[in-house]
Amino acid sequence: GEDVEQSLFLSVREGDSSVINCTYTDSSSTYLYWYKQEPGAGLQLLTYIFSNMDMKQDQRLTVLLNKKDKHLSLRIADTQTGDSAIYFCAGFLPTSGTYKYIFGTGTRLKVLA
Amino acid sequence: DTGVSQDPRHKITKRGQNVTFRCDPISEHNRLYWYRQTLGQGPEFLTYFQNEAQLEKSRLLSDRFSAERPKGSFSTLEIQRTEQGDSAMYLCASSPGVRNEQFFGPGTRLTVL
Repeated sequence: GEDVEQSLFLSVREGDSSVINCTYTDSSSTYLYWYKQEPGAGLQLLTYIFSNMDMKQDQRLTVLLNKKDKHLSLRIADTQTGDSAIYFCAGFLPTSGTYKYIFGTGTRLKVLA
Repeated sequence: DTGVSQDPRHKITKRGQNVTFRCDPISEHNRLYWYRQTLGQGPEFLTYFQNEAQLEKSRLLSDRFSAERPKGSFSTLEIQRTEQGDSAMYLCASSPGVRNEQFFGPGTRLTVL
């Protein structure tokens, strides 16, 4: 079945770059997404990448996609304390005969001042 | 603010009671999703509407759960005879369907005592 995996925790110092990684088992998704969730809140769409792209840059965010290795990453440049949150990767993947939005387990990013 | 709204934000109930949650999607979004999120996990898909039609239901959605989207606008999620295991954050998201990007509401946190 489909699976989306992320490392659980990442800690960086303010001003450094953060790289959050995601691996998935099925490459059928046309788009792959990154969401941010702050405590007690819903998820906020940060960015997405079309599956035929290798890279997408959006201000401080850079998404890299390696379809061969089924690996997606989110790089946050000049990480700020306000970036502390849980980050989820997601894909629209086939499961049980249909397509569903599948989220990773989430990576908790802690930014140290 | 024209984002996705959910009501109530918090609900505390006793085991065995029925609860109903409401979601108002972004207007003109024809797709609406319900998810359940427990601590330390990503959102798990529950059900999906395209306009007023409920197109998909997860196996997680037992007979005690029912969702509606009359007229293709707001949606309700009802849980009958609540159990302690139903305690979770219930998230609603809407999507215009173009890139399957989802816009989440703040969630309803349910606590079953």
